[in-house]
Amino acid sequence: GAGVSQSPSNKVTEKGKDVELRCDPISGHTALYWYRQSLGQGLEFLIYFQGNSAPDKSGLPSDRFSAERTGGSVSTLTIQRTQQEDSAVYLCASSLGSPGMRDEQFFGPGTRLTVL
Amino acid sequence: GNSVTQMEGPVTLSEEAFLTINCTYTATGYPSLFWYVQYPGEGLQLLLKATKADDKGSNKGFEATYRKETTSFHLEKGSVQVSDSAVYFCALRREGQNFVFGPGTRLSVLP
Repeated sequence: GAGVSQSPSNKVTEKGKDVELRCDPISGHTALYWYRQSLGQGLEFLIYFQGNSAPDKSGLPSDRFSAERTGGSVSTLTIQRTQQEDSAVYLCASSLGSPGMRDEQFFGPGTRLTVL
Repeated sequence: GNSVTQMEGPVTLSEEAFLTINCTYTATGYPSLFWYVQYPGEGLQLLLKATKADDKGSNKGFEATYRKETTSFHLEKGSVQVSDSAVYFCALRREGQNFVFGPGTRLSVLP
């Protein structure tokens, strides 16, 4: 199918290590979002890319978190010096980014990150 | 800032019972409103949406009406099924901005 894909599906790492999470949005979608979902919690917004505009980074919890989107398509979320509280499911979503209010997000299956 | 508040779960109902999950929001201007659902072991998917006041979104027997006067978008279903067991998220979005999600409400429907 042509849905949003994320890799890896599961990642176990040791405290202090860096991790990279990848998101492949739906082709043609100009908007891309990263969220974090901790156990039993709602979605926490992290960062939002829209076309060539500067990303909205207002949700990144610390300077250990960064994300980039190359060529307006694939995005990588990087967490440096991971901590145990970073353990969560990281969700990526994309949308057409069309003007107006009718924009629907399509979510990927998520990457489950466990920091030991 | 923009925010979404949902009733706390979990909500446990018997099959064929009536469902209401309350959602209220705070936002400047006129956001679009959404309900997303996350079935066990699956990713989030859009359930329904409404883009202006008094609009009613509906899908799979679920309905929600955009009430500007009460800043609400309550989710309802007349007769729930076991297969409706999931986590339901209310969300809003203002044009050109990111989505804001509520904390989610877990629904369990017992046979």
